[in-house]
Amino acid sequence: QKEVEQDPGPLSVPEGAIVSLNCTYSNSAFQYFMWYRQYSRKGPELLMYTYSSGNKEDGRFTAQVDKSSKYISLFIRDSQPSDSATYLCAMSADSNYQLIWGAGTKLIIKP
Amino acid sequence: ETGVTQSPTHLIKTRGQQVTLRCSSQSGHNTVSWYQQALGQGPQFIFQYYREEENGRGNFPPRFSGLQFPNYSSELNVNALELDDSALYLCASSSHRGLGGSPLHFGNGTRLTVT
Repeated sequence: QKEVEQDPGPLSVPEGAIVSLNCTYSNSAFQYFMWYRQYSRKGPELLMYTYSSGNKEDGRFTAQVDKSSKYISLFIRDSQPSDSATYLCAMSADSNYQLIWGAGTKLIIKP
Repeated sequence: ETGVTQSPTHLIKTRGQQVTLRCSSQSGHNTVSWYQQALGQGPQFIFQYYREEENGRGNFPPRFSGLQFPNYSSELNVNALELDDSALYLCASSSHRGLGGSPLHFGNGTRLTVT
């Protein structure tokens, strides 16, 4: 079993919909959680960075961490075709522990 | 502010050859990490350099080696290339030493194809 599991998709939704992307993990020591967006032929771009539990909001994006369930989510409101990309979650226990990545979920927003 | 730049963007090599990939870190960043990303997979950590010293290494064989220079730019060298080395190689810089706690700023990668 992988330390971080992420549904590869593709997830296809109509423009304007609310998108929910998720990752589950097995290591209860993880406390740094990140979401990256990767467009085709580009490097990953940091979207959200969360420490420990709780919610964090930035514009149309909301990141949630539920450490009791070992589950993190990224919500995208008012989705746009430009949001079409692969979304990667990454997490770590502390600064001495490397980031562990999910395989990414491919998101397609249909106009 | 200059972002992370990588060169070349694409490369085709033959099995058994050697390759050098280059990375210029974002201005003000003293830590560089290298990742390998196979198609449809998340990035896999190769190693990290902080102030010209290796600061951590993932599960990659010794034929993967690196350097960091005084200006914080970096090289990834891969010897005795194998077909499975075909992947996107990503360089990421950060402003703090540490393997997992700091946000990373990525370049657009070098696509390596080994035939």
